[in-house]
Amino acid sequence: DAKTTQPPSMDCAEGRAANLPCNHSTISGNEYVYWYRQIHSQGPQYIIHGLKNNETNEMASLIITEDRKSSTLILPHATLRDTAVYYCIVKLAGAGSYQLTFGKGTKLSVIP
Amino acid sequence: EAGVAQSPRYKIIEKRQSVAFWCNPISGHATLYWYQQILGQGPKLLIQFQNNGVVDDSQLPKDRFSAERLKGVDSTLKIQPAKLEDSAVYLCASTPVGIGTGSRQGSKAYGYTFGSGTRLTVV
Repeated sequence: DAKTTQPPSMDCAEGRAANLPCNHSTISGNEYVYWYRQIHSQGPQYIIHGLKNNETNEMASLIITEDRKSSTLILPHATLRDTAVYYCIVKLAGAGSYQLTFGKGTKLSVIP
Repeated sequence: EAGVAQSPRYKIIEKRQSVAFWCNPISGHATLYWYQQILGQGPKLLIQFQNNGVVDDSQLPKDRFSAERLKGVDSTLKIQPAKLEDSAVYLCASTPVGIGTGSRQGSKAYGYTFGSGTRLTVV
């Protein structure tokens, strides 16, 4: 699986959009970009994933650059409950057998 | 839908003692994972089961760690004897088998579901 690079920490004002970047310059054509987050004292939680098109769901939006070497997770209106560590993971498609390899992620602090 | 259940939530033991953790995955999920998360780091995979068979245990320290999933449902992870460096959160996760990505029937269908973990402190 391709490796990812994320900033160790970020701050965001409550109500503002939080934009979390991720670099994955060695991503291969059949690898997806997944985002998970981990709120304190909980297990990681799936947020969103995508291959090359931008994706949006009830939690967030995922913007993937045309060359697929980087992506941005967008939380449109951050709340205090979005304070968590966010992990960007690149892996092959198919959740059944393929493992998740976590880096250190980005610690997002949403400030009142 | 019930989530992944883990117990106990917390455990404190002395070094060289043994300890066991239990995980009950989401009903029908054939694949089960155990992860170890040391403070300040991301989770690290220890072992992966498919039904009651081991798919990958290459990162499991087999001299002291063992895991089983006898009936292909719940699983136990054991450490014997424990060392100070085993202090960590032990996370269990499950996924269904054979999920493709052609259909996007809800975001949760494509993600792993994790339990809340067991926090182990070895003193």
